[in-house]
Amino acid sequence: EPEVTQTPSHQVTQMGQEVILRCVPISNHLYFYWYRQILGQKVEFLVSFYNNEISEKSEIFDDQFSVERPDGSNFTLKIRSTKLEDSAMYFCASNGLAGGPNIQYFGAGTRLSVL
Amino acid sequence: QKEVEQNSGPLSVPEGAIASLNCTYSDRVSQSFFWYRQYSGKSPELIMSIYSNGDKEDGRFTAQLNKASQYVSLLIRDSQPSDSATYLCAVNSNRDDKIIFGKGTRLHILP
Repeated sequence: EPEVTQTPSHQVTQMGQEVILRCVPISNHLYFYWYRQILGQKVEFLVSFYNNEISEKSEIFDDQFSVERPDGSNFTLKIRSTKLEDSAMYFCASNGLAGGPNIQYFGAGTRLSVL
Repeated sequence: QKEVEQNSGPLSVPEGAIASLNCTYSDRVSQSFFWYRQYSGKSPELIMSIYSNGDKEDGRFTAQLNKASQYVSLLIRDSQPSDSATYLCAVNSNRDDKIIFGKGTRLHILP
């Protein structure tokens, strides 16, 4: 069964450093998303991406964050200068075919630890 | 502000019984409704989606939607210890829109 793949599974970084979280969405999916979940809290939307541009972003997704689809398969989330409060699980999701229901499939996540 | 509300639990249910999980949402134009299961330290796993009023059954799971009351529920029949997890209610308004999650209800199935 196709799945969303995320790497790395765990990223440890120093405050102020840049990190790039990587995702390979399900092949032929058109919509891509990043969510985050701080330990013990709910899953929060960060950004959605369609047709090679951001379609929506939350207030969490400030200038420190950026997304990119550098080729036909990868979808990345970059945090330019990490803060302690960026420590969380980051989930990538993708959503299927045009005209179909909005069913988002989640990757296994990347645990980001900012020290 | 669109909100999805769930009782955080924990909800303890004996093995073999029916577990009933509830959720309310604030955005009246919500169109799609989902239940995700999340084991500790893992990602959300979709178990049910529902789009119209009424019941939808899939194996041991039944989702119920009442748009007039802005209420969604999930029933799990013949509960198993492996059903112990946090169940996330989620909604969205448009086909390409973000999903808004509730905080989740922790379910504990007692062997």
